[in-house]
Amino acid sequence: SSELTQDPAVSVAVGQTVRITCQGDSLRRYYASWYQQKPGQAPILVMYGKNNRPSGIPDRFSGSSSRNTASLTITGTQAEDEADYYCNSRASSGNHLVFGPGTKVTVL
Amino acid sequence: QVQLQESGPGLVRPSETLSLTCTVSGGSISNYYWSWIRQPPGKGLEWIGYIYYRGNINYNPSLNSRVSISVDTSKNQFSLKLTSVTAADTAVYYCARVCGADCFFAFDMWGQGTVVTVSS
Repeated sequence: SSELTQDPAVSVAVGQTVRITCQGDSLRRYYASWYQQKPGQAPILVMYGKNNRPSGIPDRFSGSSSRNTASLTITGTQAEDEADYYCNSRASSGNHLVFGPGTKVTVL
Repeated sequence: QVQLQESGPGLVRPSETLSLTCTVSGGSISNYYWSWIRQPPGKGLEWIGYIYYRGNINYNPSLNSRVSISVDTSKNQFSLKLTSVTAADTAVYYCARVCGADCFFAFDMWGQGTVVTVSS
């Protein structure tokens, strides 16, 4: 089983808000990062740290963290946001890195 | 703009060693951590390990006995070796840059990925 857990799937209507969560004990100590992966493509980083967006990532993506849960929120979801989203963080040991199992976001 | 490109055989026989190289262009390999990540067909991402340009290394405990990552700063490359492969090692293998403690060890640059199939 993964150190990080995510809901397998979530759906959202165009223009609405969706929150994707990632849970794990290591998140009490370390921030999560978030990746978007579309079919046949490499993942891209969309969020890291408390709420940091890499250059080129739209500001409809935001991040937050509380206790053992990290969240990625998409406000005003667009059709092109349909993708798999993975969280990752340092493991509880601190030296290793781990990924969550991923959440498939379907935009209706 | 930094770019990463994986290279290596697309087919490996069972029990043999998988060897891949990642070439970094458009920037120096120095001052960063570099990582390998894989994704079996239809499944999620699995971190394999990372190496600092000066040689500090960490591996996924589940692969620790079979994996080796090295770096060649003169060629701006880093490499992966995975021994005693089985069909379970069939995956898309990605190389990625780890942006370090300042950005919480996020993977900020990725290669396009290379498909490796383990089959006789």
